Amino acid sequence: KAGVTQTPRYLIKTRGQQVTLSCSPISGHRSVSWYQQTPGQGLQFLFEYFSETQRNKGNFPGRFSGRQFSNSRSEMNVSTLELGDSALYLCASSSFAGTANTEAFFGQGTRLTVV
Amino acid sequence: KQEVTQIPAALSVPEGENLVLNCSFTDSAIYNLQWFRQDPGKGLTSLLLIQSSQREQTSGRLNASLDKSSGRSTLYIAASQPGDSATYLCAVKDRDDKIIFGKGTRLHILP
Repeated sequence: KAGVTQTPRYLIKTRGQQVTLSCSPISGHRSVSWYQQTPGQGLQFLFEYFSETQRNKGNFPGRFSGRQFSNSRSEMNVSTLELGDSALYLCASSSFAGTANTEAFFGQGTRLTVV
Repeated sequence: KQEVTQIPAALSVPEGENLVLNCSFTDSAIYNLQWFRQDPGKGLTSLLLIQSSQREQTSGRLNASLDKSSGRSTLYIAASQPGDSATYLCAVKDRDDKIIFGKGTRLHILP
């Protein structure tokens, strides 16, 4: 069974541009969460989608947005990029939401560098 | 607000030794606790998941315990190997379904 797939693996963008990252969850999984990982802050929760609806959102500015499609694939968009947005963006998929026995599986991440 | 702390931040041990990594969390109202491994520049690999009603889980040389009332978890690695060198992350899933991570413990196994 294929794991969580994130594309692209690496991106270099210029300040002020926008970027879209993609995450394909494990087949059958309906919950997708996004995280930002930086050396200083560690892993921080961005948002979670379940059945095309955003269930949770972390403390990030409105420049960070996402969506989920009917096939559970999710995209994350960052507009007006800043140097501080340089990070590893990780996506996690799980089969259900709101249960104790749901394990989260992570993709390899997208490394975004803003110059 | 849930906070997860991992101690120590870094650890070096000789190959073959048994070791314990610690994780503490401030709010005991969690769905589960998960231990992950991360190799440099890579994604996270799930090691063990402990549901809130469970006390421990084992997988091979790994054993994780959970004491929800005291807000603590430990990851025990037996007979450490150089291939175990990585960053180990502890994460709790809160009742809002958010996963909150600790900053991790960087483990280096000396050959």
